[in-house]
Amino acid sequence: KAGVTQTPRYLIKTRGQQVTLSCSPISGHRSVSWYQQTPGQGLQFLFEYFSETQRNKGNFPGRFSGRQFSNSRSEMNVSTLELGDSALYLCASSFGSGSGTEAFFGQGTRLTVV
Amino acid sequence: AQSVTQLDSQVPVFEEAPVELRCNYSSSVSVYLFWYVQYPNQGLQLLLKYLSGSTLVKGINGFEAEFNKSQTSFHLRKPSVHISDTAEYFCAVIFQTGANNLFFGTGTRLTVIP
Repeated sequence: KAGVTQTPRYLIKTRGQQVTLSCSPISGHRSVSWYQQTPGQGLQFLFEYFSETQRNKGNFPGRFSGRQFSNSRSEMNVSTLELGDSALYLCASSFGSGSGTEAFFGQGTRLTVV
Repeated sequence: AQSVTQLDSQVPVFEEAPVELRCNYSSSVSVYLFWYVQYPNQGLQLLLKYLSGSTLVKGINGFEAEFNKSQTSFHLRKPSVHISDTAEYFCAVIFQTGANNLFFGTGTRLTVIP
């Protein structure tokens, strides 16, 4: 069974540009969550999608957005990139929507903003 | 306030020695508790979780953790570490407020010394 796949693995963008990251969950999983990992702030929750609906959102500016498609694949978009957006972006998928359902993480996308 | 604290940012330990990584949380609601491991340039892998029932939880790779409600702790232990256990370890909590997102501690870097 294939794991969570995130593409691309590495990305370099310039300040002011926008970027789209992709996450393919494990087959059959309907929930996808996104996390940002930085040395300074650690791991922080961005948002969660379940059956194409955003269920929960973390404390990030509106430049960060996401969506989920009918096949459960998810994308997150960051517009008007800032240097501080450089981070490892992790996607996690889980089967159900209830708390405590195990989340499986992808290897992440390393975004560098220059 | 709801929070997760990992007091030890770095823990060096000799090979085959026991180790304990500490995790404390603060919450006014019930919680689910998790430990994840992250190897360099990788995503997060679930070691173990506590949802309910027995307070002693056994996970993969010989790790175990004990939920102590009175001390609001969920410390991770392993009786004998191996070189391959060198990694970053994250304690995570789901606060049972209806949301499903993980709140992470700042991580503990475990270094196993030969």
